Amino acid sequence: DQQVKQNSPSLSVQEGRISILNCDYTNSMFDYFLWYKKYPAEGPTFLISISSIKDKNEDGRFTVFLNKSAKHLSLHIVPSQPGDSAVYFCAASGMAGGYQKVTFGTGTKLQVIP
Amino acid sequence: NAGVMQNPRHLVRRRGQEARLRCSPMKGHSHVYWYRQLPEEGLKFMVYLQKENIIDESGMPKERFSAEFPKEGPSILRIQQVVRGDSAAYFCASSPQLDNTEAFFGQGTRLTVV
Repeated sequence: DQQVKQNSPSLSVQEGRISILNCDYTNSMFDYFLWYKKYPAEGPTFLISISSIKDKNEDGRFTVFLNKSAKHLSLHIVPSQPGDSAVYFCAASGMAGGYQKVTFGTGTKLQVIP
Repeated sequence: NAGVMQNPRHLVRRRGQEARLRCSPMKGHSHVYWYRQLPEEGLKFMVYLQKENIIDESGMPKERFSAEFPKEGPSILRIQQVVRGDSAAYFCASSPQLDNTEAFFGQGTRLTVV
């Protein structure tokens, strides 16, 4: 049962354009959402997050949008740079078993073409 | 301040052998999480430990897998009698507080079973 879904396994974008990565979730108990970035042979690194009480959070070139009614969030990267090429994991957290448990999606591989 | 350290980075085991994966959390972090990434899949939660306690092992396979986080020393993920299906990247993350939102990941151990 995949509670966090990233339906696009890969995405190619031209340098300078906008990259939009999408994520859907099914569990309405999730109240905090995160994006992680992962380069090959490295561990994931935290990128940006958003609380369920907000619908937008911005950090430089990265913006996360949350649509609670649709159980959908997206990560916008603008302008995209070749160094952004990586796998992006969407994650959602909610209380489970007495702690804030994080569930990850399957990832989207972004390729930014110079 | 060293990050989360995992070793070995690469581990090759023959079917039936034991695999031991080690994780030293960041300094000051007392919460450790183990994840497994199978080829073409996302990060699957395995177990959450605090010092000397297993808090949540709902993601651990029922047999052959065990984890510990002793008072002194690293956290250990042990896989007994490995099979080819155990081949994966195993990531450890740590956090200083109860929930693992924005946890810090190690670089992972890539286990190959031959």
